[in-house]
Amino acid sequence: GAGVSQSPSNKVTEKGKDVELRCDPISGHTALYWYRQRLGQGLEFLIYFQGNSAPDKSGLPSDRFSAERTGESVSTLTIQRTQQEDSAVYLCASSLDGAGDTQYFGPGTRLTVL
Amino acid sequence: GQNIDQPTEMTATEGAIVQINCTYQTSGFNGLFWYQQHAGEAPTFLSYNVLDGLEEKGRFSSFLSRSKGYSYLLLKELQMKDSASYLCAVKDSNYQLIWGAGTKLIIKP
Repeated sequence: GAGVSQSPSNKVTEKGKDVELRCDPISGHTALYWYRQRLGQGLEFLIYFQGNSAPDKSGLPSDRFSAERTGESVSTLTIQRTQQEDSAVYLCASSLDGAGDTQYFGPGTRLTVL
Repeated sequence: GQNIDQPTEMTATEGAIVQINCTYQTSGFNGLFWYQQHAGEAPTFLSYNVLDGLEEKGRFSSFLSRSKGYSYLLLKELQMKDSASYLCAVKDSNYQLIWGAGTKLIIKP
């Protein structure tokens, strides 16, 4: 596709449920990032995938959060036992290479935990 | 710790010029990005500076002083569509992007 796509665009869930968010990066981009953005706040780094290297998980806020990426394609971010504090927009970005190359963002998934 | 500072909010008039400042304290420096984010949308890339000086791109210019840990984004001939948040991000010694909280720019007619 022409850009980064994410699904679903909106997700409303009940506290305690698990959710799975999907990201399709730009074709050919080896690096993929997940961010969280709370209302009116800046971007909070969650996890970074670069090619076949071990992902940088240093930003994951708790062990309820995990992410996977198949090769250099689709990534899924899973949040288990969701809490109200998890409510935010989850943004995915990809870049041609890692090393801080220009990142191109998807439209985000707005997660609301009731 | 690593820190990026930007004003929270700025107001300017349509047709005028506005300068959005960003100061940073990071573990190393390998470049600085500016992104624009309209409300409810994803950030989009505006500019990238790695050397000192001014980079001009149409109505937008970005300046960097590495010795001062300082950058600014200059927007000229402001248009209503420029109302958005402007995010400053610094690439540190590990080539990780450290993001500022963003500056919300309000344009008034």
